[in-house]
Amino acid sequence: DTGVSQDPRHKITKRGQNVTFRCDPISEHNRLYWYRQTLGQGPEFLTYFQNEAQLEKSRLLSDRFSAERPKGSFSTLEIQRTEQGDSAMYLCASSWTEERGYTFGSGTRLTVV
Amino acid sequence: AQSVTQLDSHVSVSEGTPVLLRCNYSSSYSPSLFWYVQHPNKGLQLLLKYTSAATLVKGINGFEAEFKKSETSFHLTKPSAHMSDAAEYFCVVKYGGATNKLIFGTGTLLAVQP
Repeated sequence: DTGVSQDPRHKITKRGQNVTFRCDPISEHNRLYWYRQTLGQGPEFLTYFQNEAQLEKSRLLSDRFSAERPKGSFSTLEIQRTEQGDSAMYLCASSWTEERGYTFGSGTRLTVV
Repeated sequence: AQSVTQLDSHVSVSEGTPVLLRCNYSSSYSPSLFWYVQHPNKGLQLLLKYTSAATLVKGINGFEAEFKKSETSFHLTKPSAHMSDAAEYFCVVKYGGATNKLIFGTGTLLAVQP
């Protein structure tokens, strides 16, 4: 068990470009979550998957954002036409049951210039 | 609205003295409560969790928290601070019902002075 892995660790992109992040959860965890954390704030929920089904999306997830979890394993988060306001740390978490808690990855730090 | 409030954005203590980080949540039936710690350039690490079992919860590294329903509080304590405890701490709530999202407080930055 190597924990939750996120790739890349850092991404610098120009405004208007598309970016994609990857999350590999702990292998036996069927639940996967994406959060966004801006400087000085706590993480904010973006979306939730149970296996391959996306069951919950935040209003923060505008139509420029899309997330997938094909086959219920790894997940990708894509941001199209990036804006400077998208600059943040994007965190992935996975869990088996709520009672066992949630394991977070180290995050992908996105900087839009 | 469902929310969680961390009453102090910064707390500074001397090494060896007690730590108290305060957290209040908006009242709801059967919330689950967590404390996470975030060291610089590292991921969020679970310290402890309350999920309707014992109201006094013991976590890692000597931390504990007490769930007080009458006060809607879940304060984090440690009897004796260590330099390695310096980090940002987040109180997190998951309310019951259809939502699966965790709601994070704005964080408390703990500084430990030698």
